[in-house]
Amino acid sequence: AQSVTQPDIHITVSEGASLELRCNYSYGATPYLFWYVQSPGQGLQLLLKYFSGDTLVQGIKGFEAEFKRSQSSFNLRKPSVHWSDAAEYFCSLSGGGADGLTFGKGTHLIIQP
Amino acid sequence: EAEVAQSPRYKITEKSQAVAFWCDPISGHATLYWYRQILGQGPELLVQFQDESVVDDSQLPKDRFSAERLKGVDSTLKIQPAELGDSAMYLCASSRRGGVVNNEQFFGPGTRLTVL
Repeated sequence: AQSVTQPDIHITVSEGASLELRCNYSYGATPYLFWYVQSPGQGLQLLLKYFSGDTLVQGIKGFEAEFKRSQSSFNLRKPSVHWSDAAEYFCSLSGGGADGLTFGKGTHLIIQP
Repeated sequence: EAEVAQSPRYKITEKSQAVAFWCDPISGHATLYWYRQILGQGPELLVQFQDESVVDDSQLPKDRFSAERLKGVDSTLKIQPAELGDSAMYLCASSRRGGVVNNEQFFGPGTRLTVL
């Protein structure tokens, strides 16, 4: 069975500091990987996705993520966070086709002034 | 910009009552998904439609949950009877035909259900 693990339930970062959110997955082949962001009362918005090719992918809002097959990881990074980045972040995977997504439990990001 | 519409945004009901949620996907999107997100958890897929046909309902509690997409456009998710453990956010998403590689899933704002 496929699964996604986000080890950090909460992360607190000072505004302007760098950010890394961890994501590990379990899947029998190379999955399709995604990061979504959810602000309070909002639906999920896609930040970036990895399908194949370059293992460093760029997304919206200045985010990037790196796929590491050897570590089964897909960590999300941002060099300098803004107060508006405070939200819930979800890592997810799909086996392909028109499959639904399997999500991690999320990481709640808190930004300190 | 086209969006996935959901209603109601909030629903409070009593245990054993029936509730229904509505989703209108982005025009032209053939695939529609219903997810349940329990507080503090990630979304979990309940049911997936391709046009009007169910392609995956393996995680749908069929004794009390039903979903339909009669004309292959909008969809309704029903719970009867509601139980305390059904309190959650119910998210609808849609994507174009053809699978996840080329087609992003777009999510609606969700319906927050509270069962008392």
